[in-house]
Amino acid sequence: DQQVKQNSPSLSVQEGRISILNCDYTNSMFDYFLWYKKYPAEGPTFLISISSIKDKNEDGRFTVFLNKSAKHLSLHIVPSQPGDSAVYFCAASKWTGNQFYFGTGTSLTVIP
Amino acid sequence: NAGVMQNPRHLVRRRGQEARLRCSPMKGHSHVYWYRQLPEEGLKFMVYLQKENIIDESGMPKERFSAEFPKEGPSILRIQQVVRGDSAAYFCASSPPSRSEGEQYFGPGTRLTVT
Repeated sequence: DQQVKQNSPSLSVQEGRISILNCDYTNSMFDYFLWYKKYPAEGPTFLISISSIKDKNEDGRFTVFLNKSAKHLSLHIVPSQPGDSAVYFCAASKWTGNQFYFGTGTSLTVIP
Repeated sequence: NAGVMQNPRHLVRRRGQEARLRCSPMKGHSHVYWYRQLPEEGLKFMVYLQKENIIDESGMPKERFSAEFPKEGPSILRIQQVVRGDSAAYFCASSPPSRSEGEQYFGPGTRLTVT
């Protein structure tokens, strides 16, 4: 039962353009959402998070948007850089819970 | 400040052998989580531990798998009588005691191959 879904396995973007990665979830009890970035042969690295009381959180080139009514969140990277090429995982949790539920990941390639 | 450490990074076992995976959390972190990533899939939660306590093992298979986080030393994920389907990347994460920190910090993973 995949409660967090990333329907695009891969995405290619030109350097300098915007990258938009999408994530959908099914469990309305989720109230905390995160994005992780993963390079091959490494563990995921935390990127940015958002709680359900907000609809936007920004950190430098990275912005996460949350649409609770649609159970959808997205990660915007502007401008995209070749070093951003990695697999991006969306994750969700219940504030009172212990585990993160991860999506299957989107592989982003930024073309120089 | 050293990050989360996992060893070994690669582990090869024959079917029926035991696999032991170790995880040392970040300094100051008392919460440890284990996740498994099968090929082409996302990370799946297995177990959440605090020192000497298993808090949530709802994601762990009922048989052959066990985990511990002793008072001293690393957390251990133990898989007995491994089968080919256990081949995966196993990631450990840690977090500080304060839940408000939110995120979990991941180690580099142990890639288990069962032949």
